[in-house]
Amino acid sequence: KAGVTQTPRYLIKTRGQQVTLSCSPISGHRSVSWYQQTPGQGLQFLFEYFSETQRNKGNFPGRFSGRQFSNSRSEMNVSTLELGDSALYLCASSVQGLGEETQYFGPGTRLLVL
Amino acid sequence: EDQVTQSPEALRLQEGESSSLNCSYTVSGLRGLFWYRQDPGKGPEFLFTLYSAGEEKEKERLKATLTKKESFLHITAPKPEDSATYLCAVQAYEGSQGNLIFGKGTKLSVKP
Repeated sequence: KAGVTQTPRYLIKTRGQQVTLSCSPISGHRSVSWYQQTPGQGLQFLFEYFSETQRNKGNFPGRFSGRQFSNSRSEMNVSTLELGDSALYLCASSVQGLGEETQYFGPGTRLLVL
Repeated sequence: EDQVTQSPEALRLQEGESSSLNCSYTVSGLRGLFWYRQDPGKGPEFLFTLYSAGEEKEKERLKATLTKKESFLHITAPKPEDSATYLCAVQAYEGSQGNLIFGKGTKLSVKP
């Protein structure tokens, strides 16, 4: 069974640009959650999508947005990039969503904002 | 405010030297406490979920326990391959919109 895949794996952008990250969940999983990981703040929850609907949202500004498609693949978009957006962005999938016993994480996309 | 604190930040052990990692939490009604392992350059890997005080779970050299205010991850006779960052996360019934709140992790190094 293929795991969670994320593309691209590495990305370099400049301030003010926007970026779109992609996540393909494990087959059969309907929930996709996104997280930001930085050395200073650790892992922070961004949002969760379930069956194409945003079900939960963390405390991030509106520049961070996402969507989920009918095949459960999800994209995350960050507009007007800031230096502080440099981080590892992780997505995780599960059958039923947050609180379920097992969430499977992808390898992440490392974003560097210059 | 829901909060998770892990200690120590870093731990260096000799192979075979048992120890424990701590995760203390403050949540408005615990729905579940999760332990993950993260290797460099990879996403977190699920280890355990604990739901109520007194619960214990084991997997190979790892044993997780839960009280009303904290959880411990006990590592018995660790091996170098146990070296990783161990993350603790909690989910509350109320507040935090049901999100997972992560601690900053404990970086474990096991020397042969």
